[in-house]
Amino acid sequence: EPEVTQTPSHQVTQMGQEVILRCVPISNHLYFYWYRQILGQKVEFLVSFYNNEISEKSEIFDDQFSVERPDGSNFTLKIRSTKLEDSAMYFCASRRDTGELFFGEGSRLTVL
Amino acid sequence: AQSVTQPDIHITVSEGASLELRCNYSYGATPYLFWYVQSPGQGLQLLLKYFSGDTLVQGIKGFEAEFKRSQSSFNLRKPSVHWSDAAEYFCAVGVWETSGSRLTFGEGTQLTVNP
Repeated sequence: EPEVTQTPSHQVTQMGQEVILRCVPISNHLYFYWYRQILGQKVEFLVSFYNNEISEKSEIFDDQFSVERPDGSNFTLKIRSTKLEDSAMYFCASRRDTGELFFGEGSRLTVL
Repeated sequence: AQSVTQPDIHITVSEGASLELRCNYSYGATPYLFWYVQSPGQGLQLLLKYFSGDTLVQGIKGFEAEFKRSQSSFNLRKPSVHWSDAAEYFCAVGVWETSGSRLTFGEGTQLTVNP
């Protein structure tokens, strides 16, 4: 069964460092997403991406964040200068034209 | 904007007992509704979804949910809980538009199963 894969599973970084989280969505899916979940809190929408551009972003997704689909398979989330409050589990998801979102296992980011 | 409320932060049931997790949503039109389950340190697994049609939907692991438009609810049920069902459950409402979409999640309900 096709699945969304994310790397790394866990990354520890120093405050102020740049981080790139990588995702390989399901191959025939058209819409891509990043969500995050701070420990003990609910899952929050960050950004959606369609047709090679951001289609929607939340207020969390400020100038420190960017997304890219550099080739036909990868979908990345970059945090330019990490802050302590960026520590969270980051989930990538994808979907086809209709239907549910398929989530990856998540990338846990710890900012020290 | 859409929103989701899960009134119960934590529920404890005995193994073999029935379960109902509550979910209320707010959205102007008929939404797409989902229940996801998350085990500790794991990702989000889809239990079931409602898009249209029959308001009682069946999912994996013996779960079902009923969409009630008049109550803006989408409660999750299971007739007999197993110890392996202990996890966090998230209700979500989806708004699908031509250019994109987002899922809005509730706060989650932590389920504990006593032996």
